[in-house]
Formats: sequence, structure tokens, C-alpha cells
Amino acid sequence: EVQLVESGGGLVQPGRSLRLSCAASGFTFDDYAMHWVRQAPGKGLEWVSGISWNSGSIGYADSVKGRFTISRDNAKNSLYLQMNSLRAEDTALYYCAKVRGSIAAAAGDYWGQGTLVTVSS
Amino acid sequence: DIQMTQSPSSLSASVGDRVTITCRASQSISSYLNWYQQKPGKAPKLLIYAASSLQSGVPSRFSGSGSGTDFTLTISSLQPEDFATYYCQQSYSTPCSFGQGTKLEIK
Repeated sequence: EVQLVESGGGLVQPGRSLRLSCAASGFTFDDYAMHWVRQAPGKGLEWVSGISWNSGSIGYADSVKGRFTISRDNAKNSLYLQMNSLRAEDTALYYCAKVRGSIAAAAGDYWGQGTLVTVSS
Repeated sequence: DIQMTQSPSSLSASVGDRVTITCRASQSISSYLNWYQQKPGKAPKLLIYAASSLQSGVPSRFSGSGSGTDFTLTISSLQPEDFATYYCQQSYSTPCSFGQGTKLEIK
């Protein structure tokens, strides 16, 4: 059974940093690309970032480019999102998703339950 | 970046109705279009990928069509568990943008 468990969310002040993690199990992690997707309270889904199976291809939404960094450790079956210079508008539930395939641009077929990030002073 | 526009933003329908939701891309995305269902407090669920391929385990009353810039999601006979919010997403290129969502409510 595919399982994705996000962690690392919490309350953080504007301008500070946070690192999210996603622990994957139930599939061969290094065969698949992965995504981070967020959802602000009461709002729609926003794709944040994606990474190919070997980290060779990475993409970001314009809203986070230059502030967020996606990475993965295939030996640890883990996905990460380093979030710097956080803003109030980054407040959201952050989901990690396994992608249908090895490239970053593809559909997310399994999703975690999300970790909540709140940016507020 | 590619912009995705869904219509309508909300829709009221009854059990047994046939429902269609549309999604338009700001440029051609071939068939790189996915549909998700999200219920309150839950993670999104993939329904359709590559415009018309049904994800494993998804009921056959869900179907997708289209290519290029115009796409549709059709539910042939609404069931009570189908009342949710639906999102399209393009996976032609990163950033893999979503539509704004269509909330399907009970009439």
C-alpha cells in the first residue's frame, strides 16, 4: 500500500524558514517523480514544485521560485521542501504527491494527508 | 506559464443527473490533462489522467475527453458520493497548474 506522510509544518514568523518532509513507502520511490501541492484555507489547489526521479529535472511555481527548494533522498525514500523567506500568503496545507511516472510533469496518483504551515507574527 | 480555466465555478445537480465540467488551457497541452476530485477535509483523488484514461478503481460513470485546449469531465449518472469539488490540472509542462475548481452541490 502506498503511503505518504508529510511532516514539518507549524507556525512560523514571516521571513523565517521551514523544512517539510514527506516519508514514502509501499512503492519503489526512486522510480517516480514527486510533487508538492498546497491549498490555502478555503481555496483551491496550487502546484508548488516537482522533481523527477533522479532530481535531474525540477520545476517551481512562480510564486515560490527563488524562495523554496525541492529535494529528495532516494536512499531514505524521502521528499523535502525547504521554504525560506516565508510570507503570510504561503499559509496553506502542503501535500506531497507521488507522480504517475518518472518525469516531473505528470499526474499525482497518490497523495498524503498534508502538513499545515501557518505564517504569522 | 499555462493558465487553466474551469467552468462553471459551481454547479447544482440531482442524483442521477448527467453532469459536464469544462476546462480550457491558455495554450495547447495535447492530452496532458488530469482531473481530480476533492471532498472536504480530504486529499485530492486522481480520477482521469491523459485527458481520457480512467485511474484504477475509479467508477466508469466518470469519463474525460478533449485535446489541445478544451477538455471535459463527464459524470454520467450522479451518485451521492460524487458531490465534491473537481479540479483540472495540466501536466504538459511545469509549473503543472490547476484550474480554480468546480464545486458540485446537491440540488
